[in-house]
Amino acid sequence: EPEVTQTPSHQVTQMGQEVILRCVPISNHLYFYWYRQILGQKVEFLVSFYNNEISEKSEIFDDQFSVERPDGSNFTLKIRSTKLEDSAMYFCASRGGTSGTVRSDIQYFGAGTRLSVL
Amino acid sequence: GQQLNQSPQSMFIQEGEDVSMNCTSSSIFNTWLWYKQDPGEGPVLLIALYKAGELTSNGRLTAQFGITRKDSFLNISASIPSDVGIYFCAGPPSISNFGNEKLTFGTGTRLTIIP
Repeated sequence: EPEVTQTPSHQVTQMGQEVILRCVPISNHLYFYWYRQILGQKVEFLVSFYNNEISEKSEIFDDQFSVERPDGSNFTLKIRSTKLEDSAMYFCASRGGTSGTVRSDIQYFGAGTRLSVL
Repeated sequence: GQQLNQSPQSMFIQEGEDVSMNCTSSSIFNTWLWYKQDPGEGPVLLIALYKAGELTSNGRLTAQFGITRKDSFLNISASIPSDVGIYFCAGPPSISNFGNEKLTFGTGTRLTIIP
């Protein structure tokens, strides 16, 4: 079954450093999302991306965050200058396919990248 | 923003017991989704509900979309060890850009099976 792949599984960084979290969405999906989950809390929406531009973003997604789909297969989340409070699990999701068992209206999530800011 | 509250927050049950959990919203949802999250993993979709009153099963799981469109429940029958995890309800806000449909997640119900 097709799946969303995220790398790395765990990223440790120093406060103030830039990090790039990478995602390979399900092939032929059109809508892409980033969510985050602070330890012990619920999953929160960060940003949605369609047709090579941001569709919607939350209050969390400030100027320190950016997303990019550089090559038609990868979808990245960049945090320019990490803060301690950016420590969380970051999940990539994708939606919108018509082949096989993959439903077009359901968001499929990756396993996540655990970001630890020291 | 729209809030989804889940209850109970946590459950401790014995293997073989049935489980019931619910999700309530302060506003209407047009779609209800139930996801399960295993430790260190991303949410995995269990059941999707699209119409008020809809009752849908997936193996030992049954979920219903409340007729007010402000609530949903999930039942698990005859629980087994692999049911352990956190269960989240989720849905796109009723007013959202078509096709974008960011998900709002509930607060989660943590299921633990006591040996």
